[in-house]
Amino acid sequence: AQSVAQPEDQVNVAEGNPLTVKCTYSVSGNPYLFWYVQYPNRGLQFLLKYITGDNLVKGSYGFEAEFNKSQTSFHLKKPSALVSDSALYFCAVRRWGYSTLTFGKGTMLLVSP
Amino acid sequence: GAGVSQSPSNKVTEKGKDVELRCDPISGHTALYWYRQSLGQGLEFLIYFQGNSAPDKSGLPSDRFSAERTGGSVSTLTIQRTQQEDSAVYLCASSFGQGDTDTQYFGPGTRLTVL
Repeated sequence: AQSVAQPEDQVNVAEGNPLTVKCTYSVSGNPYLFWYVQYPNRGLQFLLKYITGDNLVKGSYGFEAEFNKSQTSFHLKKPSALVSDSALYFCAVRRWGYSTLTFGKGTMLLVSP
Repeated sequence: GAGVSQSPSNKVTEKGKDVELRCDPISGHTALYWYRQSLGQGLEFLIYFQGNSAPDKSGLPSDRFSAERTGGSVSTLTIQRTQQEDSAVYLCASSFGQGDTDTQYFGPGTRLTVL
């Protein structure tokens, strides 16, 4: 079985400050980890993924995520938040040998001006 | 290029009616996925197609739900005898079908409301 936890329903940050959206996972074997963002009334947009190699993954719109195997975490980060980053963020995991994604419940990011 | 498209964008139906939701994947993508997004349940996997066959349909919640894919392209998700608990956003995604490291690209979704 595989599961993803996003412990915060909502994260509030001021524009220009760094942001972190947390994600922890549980999976047997090697995990493949993904972050998606969803703007209101839109589908999910792919941000970045970790497959193997460097633990720091860089993605779209200045986002990055750090894979930490010992803590089974894959937190999403950005050095300087923008108001336009306000959206719903989903972390997802795929287990080796499986094609389907298991998603976390989502974290709403609110960036205030 | 064109992304994943879904139609209709919104569907309102009465309890007990059948509905069909359509997904057009990105050209060249052999894998296609259906998910359901609802307030209480988050994002749930429904069914996965590789080509025209469905090796994983474990997420379909009941036998009222079915899906097919023809020509390795368009897919239709059918819900028979709709219930109010079927109200949700139905999302379709596609990928190249090259394995576990594939990235899934999502369509805008169909918002289904069952009255």
